[in-house]
Amino acid sequence: GAVVSQHPSRVICKSGTSVKIECRSLDFQATTMFWYRQFPKQSLMLMATSNEGSKATYEQGVEKDKFLINHASLTLSTLTVTSAHPEDSSFYICSAREVGDNSPLHFGNGTRLTVT
Amino acid sequence: KQEVTQIPAALSVPEGENLVLNCSFTDSAIYNLQWFRQDPGKGLTSLLLIQSSQREQTSGRLNASLDKSSGRSTLYIAASQPGDSATYLCAVAAGNQFYFGTGTSLTVIP
Repeated sequence: GAVVSQHPSRVICKSGTSVKIECRSLDFQATTMFWYRQFPKQSLMLMATSNEGSKATYEQGVEKDKFLINHASLTLSTLTVTSAHPEDSSFYICSAREVGDNSPLHFGNGTRLTVT
Repeated sequence: KQEVTQIPAALSVPEGENLVLNCSFTDSAIYNLQWFRQDPGKGLTSLLLIQSSQREQTSGRLNASLDKSSGRSTLYIAASQPGDSATYLCAVAAGNQFYFGTGTSLTVIP
């Protein structure tokens, strides 16, 4: 089946540094990838929709300059948390959709970010 | 805007029981509906995908149904096992967006 690889699975960084998270579709092409943030015991909160070759669409309240998204190829999207602060500590998950309106969504295993 | 609701929020059953998880959505104009499982600290694993033209899908002990006109889907788990303990989420695809329910946290007691 389709696999989405998300890396790293865990990262600890100091306040003020930037962290990059990668999301790769391993055996299919994904024209659209989605980035979510999940707080403990809550459902997914969509942060942005990443379209290959164009600018990402951010959800209301999500800072574009804070969460930089690059979708440079049909198999790779990256999320960079810039100048991270402790309140950015969270679980970040990406998902990718195969081409076609009826196609399923596949998820990465998530990245646990801790900012100290 | 599409709203997806899952009931119950939490469920605890003894091992071996059959159980049903519910998902409802407000707008029937969907492409498909997907059921996912999420283990603590992990991403989501797709369990079943039902296209809008389909009524149900089965995989092993899992059976998902879809009634688009009434905006409902159910996930039936037969002969539950402790390994089924997880959070189950449903998501509907509409346009280029996916709308998620808040999940049902399932605990199967040995």
